[in-house]
Amino acid sequence: SQQGEEDPQALSIQEGENATMNCSYKTSINNLQWYRQNSGRGLVHLILIRSNEREKHSGRLRVTLDTSKKSSSLLITASRAADTASYFCATVLAGGTSYGKLTFGQGTILTVHP
Amino acid sequence: DTEVTQTPKHLVMGMTNKKSLKCEQHMGHRAMYWYKQKAKKPPELMFVYSYEKLSINESVPSRFSPECPNSSLLNLHLHALQPEDSALYLCASSPRDIPYSNQPQHFGDGTRLSIL
Repeated sequence: SQQGEEDPQALSIQEGENATMNCSYKTSINNLQWYRQNSGRGLVHLILIRSNEREKHSGRLRVTLDTSKKSSSLLITASRAADTASYFCATVLAGGTSYGKLTFGQGTILTVHP
Repeated sequence: DTEVTQTPKHLVMGMTNKKSLKCEQHMGHRAMYWYKQKAKKPPELMFVYSYEKLSINESVPSRFSPECPNSSLLNLHLHALQPEDSALYLCASSPRDIPYSNQPQHFGDGTRLSIL
């Protein structure tokens, strides 16, 4: 079964507004990662948060992790048109033999209007 | 520009053809991955190579045959594919340092494959 589920499936906002995407998962994780994918391109790693961390920041990105609720959120502040992309959460399951196997959520399509 | 280079960018092939996808990285990464991504869907893991050895095969049909000739190069050989195999094929790499799970993956821009 799919490890990560995201909502909303699509989000449309104006430039300058904040965008929040949520991700839920089902089993214990080693870490959770967020990736961005522009149309027709590969994925770009944004941020990694470990299971013992609750919050991380990187530039305009803020990620939270609540392991008790098995959920994470990605906040993009002061969004720009260039932030328009698909955003995926991906989990690495707890355990020593996963070889860093990523299981992706369904993704959120973010559109930022100028 | 990405640090993981995939060629070709686009490939159209018939169901009886044999072709190969190529992935190259020069970051010294020791884990390399193949993913398949259908339109508007997330990537799905196919294979993982660790130190040039196949570590994970996610029950991929044998018409897909991976190969890792050296630490910088990863190939995916294709033979007798089906129309449903049309997708974006992504390659990724990660440092494979211990603990290897706590490393981000670096993706190429993929090969868009169409099966006629």
